[in-house]
Amino acid sequence: DAGITQSPRYKITETGRQVTLMCHQTWSHSYMFWYRQDLGHGLRLIYYSAAADITDKGEVPDGYVVSRSKTENFPLTLESATRSQTSVYFCASSETQGPYTFGSGTRLTVV
Amino acid sequence: GENVEQHPSTLSVQEGDSAVIKCTYSDSASNYFPWYKQELGKRPQLIIDIRSNVGEKKDQRIAVTLNKTAKHFSLHITETQPEDSAVYFCAANTNTGNQFYFGTGTSLTVIP
Repeated sequence: DAGITQSPRYKITETGRQVTLMCHQTWSHSYMFWYRQDLGHGLRLIYYSAAADITDKGEVPDGYVVSRSKTENFPLTLESATRSQTSVYFCASSETQGPYTFGSGTRLTVV
Repeated sequence: GENVEQHPSTLSVQEGDSAVIKCTYSDSASNYFPWYKQELGKRPQLIIDIRSNVGEKKDQRIAVTLNKTAKHFSLHITETQPEDSAVYFCAANTNTGNQFYFGTGTSLTVIP
């Protein structure tokens, strides 16, 4: 859906570098989420946000930082990338008690 | 926290046959159960969902059933077609921050 966009689609970075993945939604959904998808693990929640300036940890938050200064944006930062953070990252948004709409994903490779 | 188990992890069916994917959940407070389809290299997309106040919901060839007592729900696809080939994820909500816990996925292959 055009209403939630992620950038970049592909990223290669080196171990130890800081990298930020962007997520933007146009629906004014309250909730936003970051998931990582790895073979054998399905979708695992990294961080989520219930509203601007409100964020909370998910299942696998270590090594990641998020912020949400505006309702529509929810960037995810890897402070010092490691090879174990090579994954496909999906951003999602939803209204309360509603299903997620996922972005197109960012394929991140850490070398 | 919530634990969602999904079976089978892979499923192959002949075109025209039915496919059934089953999920169990642990949190009795869960009351919303969406199903997502993910084609190769694409994003997961919602295909059907069910809330705990109904036992079954149908949308054309896709149906979902829910047994709250046993804490399991299933996806049924009838008259399968090659374009149904994808990975399917079940999910259950929690009462914390509109979170969902996802199953580990079922890779469905429909053989023409």
